Amino acid sequence: AQSVTQLDSHVSVSEGTPVLLRCNYSSSYSPSLFWYVQHPNKGLQLLLKYTSAATLVKGINGFEAEFKKSETSFHLTKPSAHMSDAAEYFCVVSDFSGNTGKLIFGQGTTLQVKP
Amino acid sequence: EPEVTQTPSHQVTQMGQEVILRCVPISNHLYFYWYRQILGQKVEFLVSFYNNEISEKSEIFDDQFSVERPDGSNFTLKIRSTKLEDSAMYFCASSVTGGNQPQHFGDGTRLSIL
Repeated sequence: AQSVTQLDSHVSVSEGTPVLLRCNYSSSYSPSLFWYVQHPNKGLQLLLKYTSAATLVKGINGFEAEFKKSETSFHLTKPSAHMSDAAEYFCVVSDFSGNTGKLIFGQGTTLQVKP
Repeated sequence: EPEVTQTPSHQVTQMGQEVILRCVPISNHLYFYWYRQILGQKVEFLVSFYNNEISEKSEIFDDQFSVERPDGSNFTLKIRSTKLEDSAMYFCASSVTGGNQPQHFGDGTRLSIL
């Protein structure tokens, strides 16, 4: 079965410092992995996706993630946090067992950015 | 950029009443999904829909739930007789194809059952 585990429920950084949000996955086949962001009272916005091409994936707003098969990880990073990055972040894996690629979500990580 | 739109943004309903949540997926997308997020819990898959029929559903999606694409643009989720535990944020999503294509989400409908 497909699953993802987000290792931190809450991360706090200062504006201008790097961001690291950690995610480990479990998959019985080559996974498709995503990071989504949810700002307050908004929907889920796709940040980036990994679908077995380049292992370093660049997304929107300066975020990137690296797929490491040996570590079963897909951590999200950003070199310099901005106040507008404060939001809930979800690591997500596609589950193809039912042929429709339903998404399996992690618990989410709340990113707080301090001035 | 095309968006998935959901209405209403907030629905308050008495327990036992029927509720219909509405979604307009992105126009050239073929796969449609409903997810829900109970407060403080993970986002959970409910159902996927393709070619005018359910492709896959979770254990949560019991006989109280149904989905429909009544016309070429709308995609609805109906809960026949609501329970207190149906209170959650419900998200609609669509994708061009199934599989590993990204799903695009609406802003959600917050359903509150009294």
